[in-house]
Amino acid sequence: QVQLQESGPGLVKPSETLSLTCTVSGGSISNYYWSWIRQPPGKRLEWIGYISYTGSTNYNPSLKSRLTFSVDTSKNQFSLKLNSVTAADTAVYYCARFSCTTTSCSPEDVWGQGSTVTVSS
Amino acid sequence: DIQMTQSPSSLSASAGDRVTITCRTSQSIRTYLNWYQQKPGKAPKLLIYFASSLQSGVPSRFGGSGSGTDFTLTISSLQPEDFATYYCQQSYIAPRTFGQGTKVEI
Repeated sequence: QVQLQESGPGLVKPSETLSLTCTVSGGSISNYYWSWIRQPPGKRLEWIGYISYTGSTNYNPSLKSRLTFSVDTSKNQFSLKLNSVTAADTAVYYCARFSCTTTSCSPEDVWGQGSTVTVSS
Repeated sequence: DIQMTQSPSSLSASAGDRVTITCRTSQSIRTYLNWYQQKPGKAPKLLIYFASSLQSGVPSRFGGSGSGTDFTLTISSLQPEDFATYYCQQSYIAPRTFGQGTKVEI
């Protein structure tokens, strides 16, 4: 059974870079697409973007200028970097998995437990 | 971005009740509509995908319908473990977007 686990600092200072890693266990990172989704306190879920196992990316335009995703297939991990953070980036960050066929893509069906990140000095 | 609007934002119900939650999108998404359940402090759990397909392991009391811009999640007989917040999500076009959530409480 595939499991995802987010890791990274829980506290980031304003203007600095938020870095998170998601480790995939119980299965391979290959042949899937890997999303980042966040949820600010008391707010709706926000889709940040995805990276495929080949390294292709799709970023939410609202965050694109500050975002970088990467994937390390040898470690079964993928990562997120969000720079120039502000208090508005305070949220629970989730990593999740979905798959695609030639005609369509599934929704995110496996999620990590979430990592709480607070932006504060 | 495709805007997602759920109604109601919250509802009170009792065990055994039939519950209906609706989700409306700002443009047609065919049947690329998914429903998630989220409990406090937990990650969302996929219930329904492609508007009406039941995710493996999800009880059959959960059902979904709709196409285009109007969708419905129905819980046929509410159980105590169903008290949670429910979100719709469109996966028709990036960026994927979510509704604001519907909190189902006693």
